[in-house]
Amino acid sequence: DAGITQSPRHKVTETGTPVTLRCHQTENHRYMYWYRQDPGHGLRLIHYSYGVKDTDKGEVSDGYSVSRSKTEDFLLTLESATSSQTSVYFCAISQGLYEQYFGPGTRLTVT
Amino acid sequence: QKEVEQDPGPLSVPEGAIVSLNCTYSNSAFQYFMWYRQYSRKGPELLMYTYSSGNKEDGRFTAQVDKSSKYISLFIRDSQPSDSATYLCAMREGGSEKLVFGKGTKLTVNP
Repeated sequence: DAGITQSPRHKVTETGTPVTLRCHQTENHRYMYWYRQDPGHGLRLIHYSYGVKDTDKGEVSDGYSVSRSKTEDFLLTLESATSSQTSVYFCAISQGLYEQYFGPGTRLTVT
Repeated sequence: QKEVEQDPGPLSVPEGAIVSLNCTYSNSAFQYFMWYRQYSRKGPELLMYTYSSGNKEDGRFTAQVDKSSKYISLFIRDSQPSDSATYLCAMREGGSEKLVFGKGTKLTVNP
């Protein structure tokens, strides 16, 4: 998985609780991305980062926030989890405007 | 019309068959085209990366891009049971950090 780890790998949480997912890379790539993958929708971009403290929204950013205080770490926070945020979350990295490499994913269930 | 259309399948073929996977797109600004393979409960893995029109070959895999028809293809020769996975096409505009994905085609290669 191209030097990308995600934690936790599985999580079950209750509606209304905050959740933070972590993506860690050892490749020193500039760009980092968070996607969610759902049946019938494919992969959809939530947020991405083009450098430390530089982030931007993707197509499904509502209800999510991100932070990147170090090159290697990109955090995704669900401020108040809802059942509609039950999904598989993937982190990806890229060096420039080239191909993206994906992490192993985090399976999140909101009950 | 979705930006990227991909037949979800499922597609089932016998071992040794030639497999053709396809995507169509509507955005003429797309310049970079990728194919990812995703095994069940794993992250997407980059298979092929091409720029603009033409063919690219890597072992048993050939990627084709026809920008005039807004159509890309992935051919798998001598398919193997280990090729059983979901195949995702992805593309982006020149200068953009964002990939747009198809929803994936599920392929099963039967021994």
